Order: sequence, then structure tokens, then C-alpha cells
Amino acid sequence: NAGVMQNPRHLVRRRGQEARLRCSPMKGHSHVYWYRQLPEEGLKFMVYLQKENIIDESGMPKERFSAEFPKEGPSILRIQQVVRGDSAAYFCASSPLRTDTEAFFGQGTRLTVV
Amino acid sequence: ELKVEQNPLFLSMQEGKNYTIYCNYSTTSDRLYWYRQDPGKSLESLFVLLSNGAVKQEGRLMASLDTKARLSTLHITAAVHDLSATYFCAVVISGSRLTFGEGTQLTVNP
Repeated sequence: NAGVMQNPRHLVRRRGQEARLRCSPMKGHSHVYWYRQLPEEGLKFMVYLQKENIIDESGMPKERFSAEFPKEGPSILRIQQVVRGDSAAYFCASSPLRTDTEAFFGQGTRLTVV
Repeated sequence: ELKVEQNPLFLSMQEGKNYTIYCNYSTTSDRLYWYRQDPGKSLESLFVLLSNGAVKQEGRLMASLDTKARLSTLHITAAVHDLSATYFCAVVISGSRLTFGEGTQLTVNP
């Protein structure tokens, strides 16, 4: 049973480009959470999704950021027109059907905007 | 809004010494977690604390939870260099959404 898989592990984008970050949850997990970690800081919640539904996006910036978790395939965090301030590590976590269980983290995607 | 505060944020200690990291949170919580993060790596789950008075130990680390005081502690006994890392506490109000503290960067010197 593979863990939470994120790709790419490292992503470099020029200012103004789009970044797509992928997260495949653990087998049997239908809840996905995205967190952002700025350098030297803790993780900040961004969005919580279930299959085909956004449950809580209160941590998402209002513009340029979107997330989806389709019926088939990985969850995608999309950042349009990236800026230097978007440079961070983005972590995905998944949990099973019951939400009162521990979520497991992926290895993260480190986005660098140049 | 739930706030989670850790202190100290930076801790430099000598091998063999003991120390405690504190985690305060502002709202009643279902669960509290402690994680370890090495530079450039993901988070490794250390402890899950579910109830008032819970105490868990693994090797040189021991975590406790006082829900009435909204305080958790991570105690390090006889530190070794391998424990150097950043330690985060994280609190859950409902579901599995985590609110993290700022992290404590621990350096253990020989």
C-alpha cells in the first residue's frame, strides 16, 4: 500500500506561468487536504476536498489558486500566473472515509518561482 | 479562530541534557499531534494525543496533553544529535483538518 504520492517533487516556474501540483491519496482514502509551508514557517491549511467536492477552501487565496479532486485520478492544486511569493513547499495529506482519523502526509512539492 | 503557539521557537541544547517544548492552543480540541520534520523532508508523525492526561513515550521523547489548560508538552530526555529537527504540534477541532504551531527548531550539539 503506497503512501500519499505527490508529484513533481520539485517544480520551477517563471513568474506568470502556471503550476500544477498532483496528489494521489493512499488507497482507500477519499479525503484530501492541501497545506502550504513558507520558508521557516509552519504548515498552513489551504483546502479540504472529497471526491468531486470542495468541502472547505477557507485557506485558499481568493485569486489564482484552485483545487480539484475528480472522480478518477489525483487531486490537483493549480496556481495560475505564479509570483515569487508562491515559492513554498506544498504538502498533501489524505485520510480515509472517517474524518476523525489521522491524515497521512505526502513528501511535498517544492515550488520555486524565478 | 484557533491559534496554536509553540515555545521556544529555537532551541539549542547539548547532548545528554533534558528539555521541554510547549504547545498552547486557544480552543477546545479533539486531538493533538506532534510531528517531526527534517530539512527538506515531509512530516513524520510522532504522537497522537486524544484525551486529557494522555501521555505517550517513544524512545527519548515523551508527549503529554492537558486539555483543561489547553497545553501539550514534548519532553526530550538525554538528547542526542539525531534528534535535531523541527518539531511541530498540530491541533484538530473537527474532522482531520490540522492547525499547526510555528514549529520548534531543535539543534542538539555534541
